[in-house]
Amino acid sequence: ILNVEQSPQSLHVQEGDSTNFTCSFPSSNFYALHWYRWETAKSPEALFVMTLNGDEKKKGRISATLNTKEGYSYLYIKGSQPEDSATYLCALPGGSSNTGKLIFGQGTTLQVKP
Amino acid sequence: NAGVTQTPKFQVLKTGQSMTLQCAQDMNHEYMSWYRQDPGMGLRLIHYSVGAGITDQGEVPNGYNVSRSTTEDFPLRLLSAAPSQTSVYFCASSTPQGIGEQYFGPGTRLTVT
Repeated sequence: ILNVEQSPQSLHVQEGDSTNFTCSFPSSNFYALHWYRWETAKSPEALFVMTLNGDEKKKGRISATLNTKEGYSYLYIKGSQPEDSATYLCALPGGSSNTGKLIFGQGTTLQVKP
Repeated sequence: NAGVTQTPKFQVLKTGQSMTLQCAQDMNHEYMSWYRQDPGMGLRLIHYSVGAGITDQGEVPNGYNVSRSTTEDFPLRLLSAAPSQTSVYFCASSTPQGIGEQYFGPGTRLTVT
C-alpha cells in the first residue's frame, strides 16, 4: 500500500501569517499528486492536481510546489485568513496511472485565528 | 447538474443491523469510490469501481460490499454493522480522461451503537 505522509497534523496561526505544510510520498512510479481542501461540514474539493517535477500551481493566496525526485510537495498559504481554516489533504493514485483510486495522507488541519 | 449525491445524510444503527448507503452521480463518470473518514486518519479507500459491473477493494474493505449495476449508482452495503464502522462516509466520482480529479458527495455520518 502506498504511504502518503503529511506534516504537521495540525497548525494554529494568526490571521495574516503565512504558512506551509508538507506531503511526502514514494518517488518511484510517480503519476500525479492531488491537493484537496476540506472545510468542516462540507465535501473535500480539489485545489490542485500536479504531475510534473518542478510544477508550481497557484490559486489566489494558495500555491503548491512538487518535487517528484525527492518525493514531496509543499502547500503554501500567504497571509492566512479565517476562511482558510480547513483540513488540507494530499493524495496520490493507487497505481502508476489514473485508476480512479486515490490514497490519501492523514491531512493537515489549519486553524486561522482572527 | 446535481453532481454527486449521497443518502442518507445521517444514520444511527444498532450493532448487527445492515443498511445501504446510496451514492449517485449525474456527470457520466466511469470511476466511483467510497471512502471513510476517521479523526486523524484522512480518507481511507473502502471500495472503488472503474465502470458498471467492475469493482475492486481498497485499503479497508472488510465489512462492506459494493456493486455497480449502472454508471450512475454505486451503493455501499454494511452487512452487519459494528461500532468500528462509526464514521463519515464519502462517495466520489471521476473520469478516466485527464489526471483523475475526484468530485465528492456531501457525506453520510453513520453512528453504530
